[in-house]
Amino acid sequence: GESVGLHLPTLSVQEGDNSIINCAYSNSASDYFIWYKQESGKGPQFIIDIRSNMDKRQGQRVTVLLNKTVKHLSLQIAATQPGDSAVYFCAENNNAGNMLTFGGGTRLMVKP
Amino acid sequence: EPEVTQTPSHQVTQMGQEVILRCVPISNHLYFYWYRQILGQKVEFLVSFYNNEISEKSEIFDDQFSVERPDGSNFTLKIRSTKLEDSAMYFCASKGAFYNEQFFGPGTRLTVL
Repeated sequence: GESVGLHLPTLSVQEGDNSIINCAYSNSASDYFIWYKQESGKGPQFIIDIRSNMDKRQGQRVTVLLNKTVKHLSLQIAATQPGDSAVYFCAENNNAGNMLTFGGGTRLMVKP
Repeated sequence: EPEVTQTPSHQVTQMGQEVILRCVPISNHLYFYWYRQILGQKVEFLVSFYNNEISEKSEIFDDQFSVERPDGSNFTLKIRSTKLEDSAMYFCASKGAFYNEQFFGPGTRLTVL
């Protein structure tokens, strides 16, 4: 399950700092967006989602922001921990129950 | 906590051979999916399955691919005649009736030689 790629964008942060991971989506008809975390050797793990009628949603230590005007999605992780190190993917869906379209992923590296 | 399981974790096969990748979705889920991830690339949708039939499929899911739910628990992906470019991680996912969250399995790494 590891998405290792020479061209994968990487964000390196210090433990305890806040992280912001960005994603641009392409389909203006998408009405549901999700952030997934993928650790080495594992499948994507759901973090947080947001519907298109919202612009912000908060979870535990994570916040997702949606800007439909510029088709931009971001994931904010507060007080980043070493266990947050992983590849993060955004995904979009325009027909509940069917396909997710994934973005290219960002590797987050947390330095202790 | 219920989870999606997949077997095998790693499958090595010769080009032209048939492979069957197996998944056990979460038991009360109704929607089932296969995705793949070629090394270094993003996760790509293959097919979705609901009510014992394919509900949507991508261009990748050509005649060499098929899916089946042979019993009440398993969901399989068959590749009839594997090609080198089929080498990838294959993820199964499932979803319940009332929420949009798709739960992913750990994946099967398919290596075609």
